Amino acid sequence: DAKTTQPPSMDCAEGRAANLPCNHSTISGNEYVYWYRQIHSQGPQYIIHGLKNNETNEMASLIITEDRKSSTLILPHATLRDTAVYYCIVRPRGGAAGNMLTFGGGTRLMVKP
Amino acid sequence: NAGVTQTPKFRILKIGQSMTLQCTQDMNHNYMYWYRQDPGMGLKLIYYSVGAGITDKGEVPNGYNVSRSTTEDFPLRLELAAPSQTSVYFCASSYERGRPSTDTQYFGPGTRLTVL
Repeated sequence: DAKTTQPPSMDCAEGRAANLPCNHSTISGNEYVYWYRQIHSQGPQYIIHGLKNNETNEMASLIITEDRKSSTLILPHATLRDTAVYYCIVRPRGGAAGNMLTFGGGTRLMVKP
Repeated sequence: NAGVTQTPKFRILKIGQSMTLQCTQDMNHNYMYWYRQDPGMGLKLIYYSVGAGITDKGEVPNGYNVSRSTTEDFPLRLELAAPSQTSVYFCASSYERGRPSTDTQYFGPGTRLTVL
């Protein structure tokens, strides 16, 4: 899997948008970008994924740059319950190597009142 | 759906003891996974299974064994517990691999294991 780089921590005011960046400059053509989050003492939770187009679901939006070397996860209206570690993961679509999710250090997002 | 359930939530073992961590999913998923997470670190894959009767090693399989006799259950066995196995263990499942719309992994709440 391509390596990802994320800032170790970020703060966000409650009600404001949280923009979490991820750099994946060595991503290859068949690799998807996934975002998971882990709230303290809980199992990781899937948020969103994408290949090259921007994606949106009920939880978040994912913006992928045209060259696919970086992406941004956007939580449009952050709440206190969004405080968590957010992981950006790049993985291939198929093959044995894709069975493993490689969790790096992630970004610890603190949403403050 | 209960999703992925794990038992027990917490366990303390003495060095050399054995135990089985249980994992069950009710989503009819083909793929199941075991990860461990050491304090302040990311998750590492221990074993995974692509269906009943089929298992394979992940990144850190030493000291563990698994079996998959049914689609729903994927127990993880520790035979001779060591302090290095102190960790939080997460089980996960996904419908299939190769199609991003269906290979999202869903995680259980975890088992916190301490080996003294």
